[in-house]
Amino acid sequence: EAGVAQSPRYKIIEKRQSVAFWCNPISGHATLYWYQQILGQGPKLLIQFQNNGVVDDSQLPKDRFSAERLKGVDSTLKIQPAKLEDSAVYLCASSLDWIGSSRETQYFGPGTRLLVL
Amino acid sequence: TQLLEQSPQFLSIQEGENLTVYCNSSSVFSSLQWYRQEPGEGPVLLVTVVTGGEVKKLKRLTFQFGDARKDSSLHITAAQPGDTGLYLCAGGSNYKLTFGKGTLLTVNP
Repeated sequence: EAGVAQSPRYKIIEKRQSVAFWCNPISGHATLYWYQQILGQGPKLLIQFQNNGVVDDSQLPKDRFSAERLKGVDSTLKIQPAKLEDSAVYLCASSLDWIGSSRETQYFGPGTRLLVL
Repeated sequence: TQLLEQSPQFLSIQEGENLTVYCNSSSVFSSLQWYRQEPGEGPVLLVTVVTGGEVKKLKRLTFQFGDARKDSSLHITAAQPGDTGLYLCAGGSNYKLTFGKGTLLTVNP
């Protein structure tokens, strides 16, 4: 079974530039998550999709971050314009259904490492 | 805001030693998950505990969920270099997970 795919693996940009990340979840997984992991910290949920609907985007900086999941499959996360503090690893994860009572397993991709100069 | 505190933040031990890492919160969680993350990779789920007082064993790893479902511990027996990584706990509540900052474990041969 193929895992969660993410691209690119690495990205270096200058502040105020735009960047986009792509995620392809495990086939058949209804729920998709984007996390931000700053060096030395645990992952922080940015946005959660159930199929192509947004379940939670309360921690997404909506003035500069946007995400979409068209057709309920793959997803893109965009930052425009980027700031220095956006330097982090952006992780995509998917699960079969709701994390709910947390019996569900989240499967993580390898992440995209973003460096903003 | 639900917070999870993990301790210690860093741990460096010799192969064969035992160790315990902790995950504490003032909040009650419906479940607690432990993940291991290796450099350049995403976290991988090790275990999910859902009942207060629950103990689960995975080979040399023993996981315990506190009676009040606010804390958890991970004990590793006879650590091996392959156990090296970032150990993250994550509390489940409603539909999402809240992660701690992790314990970075290094097992030296």
